[in-house]
Amino acid sequence: NAGVTQTPKFRILKIGQSMTLQCAQDMNHNYMYWYRQDPGMGLKLIYYSVGAGITDKGEVPNGYNVSRSTTEDFPLRLELAAPSQTSVYFCASSRSGGPEQFFGPGTRLTVL
Amino acid sequence: DQQVKQNSPSLSVQEGRISILNCDYTNSMFDYFLWYKKYPAEGPTFLISISSIKDKNEDGRFTVFLNKSAKHLSLHIVPSQPGDSAVYFCAASSLAGGTSYGKLTFGQGTILTVHP
Repeated sequence: NAGVTQTPKFRILKIGQSMTLQCAQDMNHNYMYWYRQDPGMGLKLIYYSVGAGITDKGEVPNGYNVSRSTTEDFPLRLELAAPSQTSVYFCASSRSGGPEQFFGPGTRLTVL
Repeated sequence: DQQVKQNSPSLSVQEGRISILNCDYTNSMFDYFLWYKKYPAEGPTFLISISSIKDKNEDGRFTVFLNKSAKHLSLHIVPSQPGDSAVYFCAASSLAGGTSYGKLTFGQGTILTVHP
C-alpha cells in the first residue's frame, strides 16, 4: 500500500495563477482532509470530505475549493493564488472519521 | 483563538534521559487527544492517543498523561533516543455526538532534539 500520496512535492506559483494539488489514498478510507501548515504554526483544516460527493469547509477555506468524485481522490484547487497561500499543504485520511489520521508527505507551495 | 497550545517551541534532552512535552487546551468539548511526530519533509505520523475517560495511556517508551481539570496533557518519552528528534504536535478532537467527523485541532508543535 502506498498510503496517502500527494503531488507535486514542490511548486512555485505567480500571483493570480491557479493550480490543483492532488491527493490520493489506497486504504479505502471514507474520510479525507486538507490541512495547511504555516511556519511555526500548527496544521489548520482547510476542507474535509466524509465520502464521495460530500465535502465541507474547515477552519480556513477561503481561496480554496475541493471536489470528491471518488473514494480515492481528493484534489484541492487554488484559484487566483495569493502570497498568503504560501504554505505546506498536507492531505490526510481516516477510517470512518476516527481521529487517527494518516498523512501524505505534503506539498510545499510558494506564491510570488 | 488558539484552542490547543504548545508553549514550548523547542526542547533539548540528553540521550537516555526523559523528554516531557506539554500541551494545554481551552475547549471543554475536546474528548480525545493525540500526539503526532513529524520529521522534516515528511507528513505527521500518529504516535499515541488518549480518551478523556482515561488519565494515562502507555505504549512502549511513550506515555501520555491527561489532567482534565487543568486542561493539560503531556507526552513522556523514556528513555529518549536520537531518533526521537522531530517536531511533536498535540491534537484534539470532539468525538461525542458523532458530528466532529474526526476533525483535529493542532497545537503549534515542539521541536525535540535528543543529543547523543
